[in-house]
Amino acid sequence: EVQLVESGGGLVQPGRSMKLSCAASGFTFSNYGMAWVRQAPTKGLEWVATISYDGSSTYYRDSVKGRFTISRDNAKSTLYLQMNSLRSEDTATYYCTRGDRYWGQGVMVTVSS
Amino acid sequence: DIQMTQSPPSLSASLGDKVTITCQASQNINKYIAWYQQKPGKAPRQLIRYTSTLVSGTPSRFSGSGSGRDYSFSISNVESEDIASYYCLQYDNLLTFGSGTKLEIK
Repeated sequence: EVQLVESGGGLVQPGRSMKLSCAASGFTFSNYGMAWVRQAPTKGLEWVATISYDGSSTYYRDSVKGRFTISRDNAKSTLYLQMNSLRSEDTATYYCTRGDRYWGQGVMVTVSS
Repeated sequence: DIQMTQSPPSLSASLGDKVTITCQASQNINKYIAWYQQKPGKAPRQLIRYTSTLVSGTPSRFSGSGSGRDYSFSISNVESEDIASYYCLQYDNLLTFGSGTKLEIK
């Protein structure tokens, strides 16, 4: 059974950093590109970042470029999202996804003083 | 970047009705569109991929069609369990979601 389990969320002050993790199981992680998608409270879904199967290519939405870094450890079957210089508008539930039917349960990130 | 224009923002339907949601891409997306259902507090659930292919477990009352820039998603014989928000997603070039459609029952 495919599982994606996010961790690392919580409350953080504006300007500070936070790192999210997504532990994958039930499939060959190193064969798939992965992505982070977020959803602000009461808002729609928003793509954040994508990484290729081997980590050689990464892509970001404009509003997080230079602040967020997506990475992966294929030996650990884990996806990461390093978020720096956090802003209030980054407050959202963050989902990791294989980009298809498999999504994690989401982790809440609240940026507030 | 590809933009996805989804409409309507909300729908009110009676049980047994057929409802249709549309998404228009800013450029040809080569049928690489998926449709998701999301219920409050839950992760999105993929219902349809590649325009019209039902994902395993998706009831047959859901359907999708389209090509080029224009796509649609329909629910025939709406049931109470279909109350949710629905999103289109293009995956031809990175990922772009539509703005969502909230389905309510009259």
